[in-house]
Amino acid sequence: GENVEQHPSTLSVQEGDSAVIKCTYSDSASNYFPWYKQELGKRPQLIIDIRSNVGEKKDQRIAVTLNKTAKHFSLHITETQPEDSAVYFCAAKGSNYKLTFGKGTLLTVNP
Amino acid sequence: NAGVMQNPRHLVRRRGQEARLRCSPMKGHSHVYWYRQLPEEGLKFMVYLQKENIIDESGMPKERFSAEFPKEGPSILRIQQVVRGDSAAYFCASSFAPGTGGSYEQYFGPGTRLTVT
Repeated sequence: GENVEQHPSTLSVQEGDSAVIKCTYSDSASNYFPWYKQELGKRPQLIIDIRSNVGEKKDQRIAVTLNKTAKHFSLHITETQPEDSAVYFCAAKGSNYKLTFGKGTLLTVNP
Repeated sequence: NAGVMQNPRHLVRRRGQEARLRCSPMKGHSHVYWYRQLPEEGLKFMVYLQKENIIDESGMPKERFSAEFPKEGPSILRIQQVVRGDSAAYFCASSFAPGTGGSYEQYFGPGTRLTVT
């Protein structure tokens, strides 16, 4: 089955800096890669996603890149703000429609 | 525009009791997924259902756990004879039929936090 590895497990940045979170996946048939943000005690919220036929997607301060050959994808957050502090999860969807999640990255943005 | 609804939000059960968790999908969504999240861990897939049909239950423990999504009413995740190791947050997510219009997005409910004492 699919296996998703996520790094780093914790990330601390200064407000205004950029943050990058990386994930690798194992199933070459995976074709959909969402990113979720989860604040403490809250539900995971979909913040951006990318399909396998696209290499990069951007939404304001958030961007995701995908390298199908290397089977890795990354989340980039620019001009970080304290409200960006949360746990971020990457996921991959294989041919069976279920999402396999990484273990999460705790992002702390220091004012 | 109601999102995914789950109830109860918190549930306390003694060992050996039954826990019933309910999930109402987002309007227009016909597919429901259940995930379990242990403290400081990621989300683990449990089961994927559409109305009156279990599509994939490969993540469900073989014993004590069952799920259904009837023609009318919410999806229910049932845990019989709960043990302390069942304590976790249980999230459901819903989607359109995957691939419909190219859509694969899953939207999550607020979760049910189960505590077994």
